[in-house]
Amino acid sequence: DAGVIQSPRHEVTEMGQEVTLRCKPISGHNSLFWYRQTMMRGLELLIYFNNNVPIDDSGMPEDRFSAKMPNASFSTLKIQPSEPRDSAVYFCASSLEGEKLFFGSGTQLSVL
Amino acid sequence: GQQLNQSPQSMFIQEGEDVSMNCTSSSIFNTWLWYKQDPGEGPVLLIALYKAGELTSNGRLTAQFGITRKDSFLNISASIPSDVGIYFCAGSKTGNQFYFGTGTSLTVIP
Repeated sequence: DAGVIQSPRHEVTEMGQEVTLRCKPISGHNSLFWYRQTMMRGLELLIYFNNNVPIDDSGMPEDRFSAKMPNASFSTLKIQPSEPRDSAVYFCASSLEGEKLFFGSGTQLSVL
Repeated sequence: GQQLNQSPQSMFIQEGEDVSMNCTSSSIFNTWLWYKQDPGEGPVLLIALYKAGELTSNGRLTAQFGITRKDSFLNISASIPSDVGIYFCAGSKTGNQFYFGTGTSLTVIP
């Protein structure tokens, strides 16, 4: 299996621009998670989907963040407009029935 | 969100030494996971635990699900340079909401 695939690996953008992060979960997994990792706050759960339906988005920082999962093999996390404090590593992870969580390689986001 | 207390925060050890780290929570968990993260990469799953008291090994790594269900432990025997990295614990009550520890940074001195 190819594992969880994220793109891009690195994103550098200017404040105010829209940023879209992409994720392809492991085939057959029914849950997908978006995490943000920073030195100050560690790994934070932003949102998770079960069978393509958003279940808990209480970790999404504010309305500038949105996530979609149009089908079982694709999800996006969008930030509009981006701000310097959004700079972090964003991880996508997937699981089957919530037993084990498998992570992608992450997207390093820098907002200037 | 909830964070788990992981200790120690960092460790500097000689190659060949054994390593122990632990993770505690104020809540009872039904699943404990242990991960290793290398620089520039995502966390990689090492061991998964599902029952109180369970002891599971993966090569030189051994992890235990605490009896109280509020803690977990990871041991690495005979450390080698490639063990360097940050180790995270993660706990879950329901199986979909995983809370992560603050990480233990391990440095192995050859």
